[in-house]
Amino acid sequence: QKEVEQDPGPLSVPEGAIVSLNCTYSNSAFQYFMWYRQYSRKGPELLMYTYSSGNKEDGRFTAQVDKSSKYISLFIRDSQPSDSATYLCANPNTGFQKLVFGTGTRLLVSP
Amino acid sequence: GAGVSQSPRYKVAKRGQDVALRCDPISGHVSLFWYQQALGQGPEFLTYFQNEAQLDKSGLPSDRFFAERPEGSVSTLKIQRTQQEDSAVYLCASSLGAGSTTEAFFGQGTRLTVV
Repeated sequence: QKEVEQDPGPLSVPEGAIVSLNCTYSNSAFQYFMWYRQYSRKGPELLMYTYSSGNKEDGRFTAQVDKSSKYISLFIRDSQPSDSATYLCANPNTGFQKLVFGTGTRLLVSP
Repeated sequence: GAGVSQSPRYKVAKRGQDVALRCDPISGHVSLFWYQQALGQGPEFLTYFQNEAQLDKSGLPSDRFFAERPEGSVSTLKIQRTQQEDSAVYLCASSLGAGSTTEAFFGQGTRLTVV
């Protein structure tokens, strides 16, 4: 079993829809929960990260962590075609020397 | 430079050939990371440098993979006797602090195709 599991998609939605992207993780030691966005043929870029449980909002993006169920979510409101990309969840290991990534979910937002 | 720069962007190698992939981190960044991203997968950690010291190489898949950062800035990932399963995008990332993987910036990657 991989430490971080993520549905690879693709997830296709119309412009303006609310998008929900999800990951589960198995390592109880994870404390930081991160979301990256990766456009085609580009490197991942950090969208946002949260520490411990709860919600964090940044513009149209909301990250949610439920440590009791080891479940993390990213919500995108008013989705735009420019949001079309692969979204990766990730956790740093205890020493912060590496990131453990999920498979990534490919999102397609159609105009 | 403004960001992490990797070269070449694309590399085609014949099976058995040796390749060298270069990473120029953001100037002054102490930490440097290499990841391997297979098609349709998330990045997988390969190795971590703090300045010139390679502190973690637990992700290198075999002894054909070798990384160095001799002067604590530019890094090279070398793959000897390439195999088809080595085909992937190789990503380099750097961060200002030691071990600060949560603040790392990624380069665009080198896409290696072994034929």
